[in-house]
Amino acid sequence: AQSVAQPEDQVNVAEGNPLTVKCTYSVSGNPYLFWYVQYPNRGLQFLLKYITGDNLVKGSYGFEAEFNKSQTSFHLKKPSALVSDSALYFCAVRDDDYKLSFGAGTTVTVRA
Amino acid sequence: KAGVTQTPRYLIKTRGQQVTLSCSPISGHRSVSWYQQTPGQGLQFLFEYFSETQRNKGNFPGRFSGRQFSNSRSEMNVSTLELGDSALYLCASSLRLAGEDEQYFGPGTRLTVT
Repeated sequence: AQSVAQPEDQVNVAEGNPLTVKCTYSVSGNPYLFWYVQYPNRGLQFLLKYITGDNLVKGSYGFEAEFNKSQTSFHLKKPSALVSDSALYFCAVRDDDYKLSFGAGTTVTVRA
Repeated sequence: KAGVTQTPRYLIKTRGQQVTLSCSPISGHRSVSWYQQTPGQGLQFLFEYFSETQRNKGNFPGRFSGRQFSNSRSEMNVSTLELGDSALYLCASSLRLAGEDEQYFGPGTRLTVT
């Protein structure tokens, strides 16, 4: 079974509008969840993680993510998107085999 | 401090050849993971090494192998290359195991098999 899913291949938003990138997971035990971003022609960069603690996690570049155990989701959010946020976003989870499994990725395009 | 470095950055090989890719992690990091990134399959986990031991392995054929040295540097080898092995190979390092800690990725090695 797929450990992590990103239901949207693409997300398009206008600059200044809220941005949400969705992620759901399926693992037994306590989930270890991560978000990474890949800018064009650059390597993947860590944004934030949830291991334990507050359900709202704050990360780099003004991003945050909300862990929802009942919905098994870990959506990435930014209150006001910038054109420079246009990139490929990956959700990842430590799966039941203790390896890091990545979602298929969501391409975010922020239009000026 | 210096980031994760990968060499070479670009590589062109022909079918049937073998190739070795190198990764130098961030100083002090003991975990090195390898991933294959392709447009169709996304990011696929290859294997993870921690303190010279392979801790986990993805669903790749035995042609893909790796190792880690005592200084945490890692190499990945692919033997008998196939056209489908053309991809961006990413290396990532972390202080603890990959599933427990944020990973720092290198720029990748772009492998083209002709």
